[in-house]
Amino acid sequence: EAGVAQSPRYKIIEKRQSVAFWCNPISGHATLYWYQQILGQGPKLLIQFQNNGVVDDSQLPKDRFSAERLKGVDSTLKIQPAKLEDSAVYLCASSSSRGETQYFGPGTRLLVL
Amino acid sequence: AQSVTQLDSQVPVFEEAPVELRCNYSSSVSVYLFWYVQYPNQGLQLLLKYLSGSTLVKGINGFEAEFNKSQTSFHLRKPSVHISDTAEYFCAVSDRGAQKLVFGQGTRLTINP
Repeated sequence: EAGVAQSPRYKIIEKRQSVAFWCNPISGHATLYWYQQILGQGPKLLIQFQNNGVVDDSQLPKDRFSAERLKGVDSTLKIQPAKLEDSAVYLCASSSSRGETQYFGPGTRLLVL
Repeated sequence: AQSVTQLDSQVPVFEEAPVELRCNYSSSVSVYLFWYVQYPNQGLQLLLKYLSGSTLVKGINGFEAEFNKSQTSFHLRKPSVHISDTAEYFCAVSDRGAQKLVFGQGTRLTINP
């Protein structure tokens, strides 16, 4: 069974530029999560989707971050415009519809200069 | 709301020595508990989880953890560590309904030969 796929693995941009990350969850997993992991900290949930609907986006900075999951499968997370403090690893995870366990992708490491 | 405290930010041990990584949580509802491991430049890999039943949980790579409800703890143990166990370890909690994971700050385990 293929795991959670993410791309790109690394991205370097300048502040005020925009960037997008892509995630493809484990086949059949209805729930998809995006986390932000700042260096030296644990991951923090940004947004949770159930199929293509948003369940929780309470910690998503909506003035600059957006996410979508149009067909209930893969998802994109966008930052526009980026700030220095957005430098972090962005992790995508998925779980089955009644699943307690989340499975994580390798992450995208973002550096904002 | 849940929170997780990992009591040690760094734990150095010698190879083949035992190790315990400490985790305390707070929650007003029944929870699921997890330990994840993160190797350098990789995503999170599930080590073990407590959902219900026996309070002693065995995971991959020889790790185990014990759920203690009265002390709200979920400490991770291994009787004999190897160089390959060098990594960052994260304790996480979710309530049984929302599936949202709340992570601790992480413990860096360093194994010295």
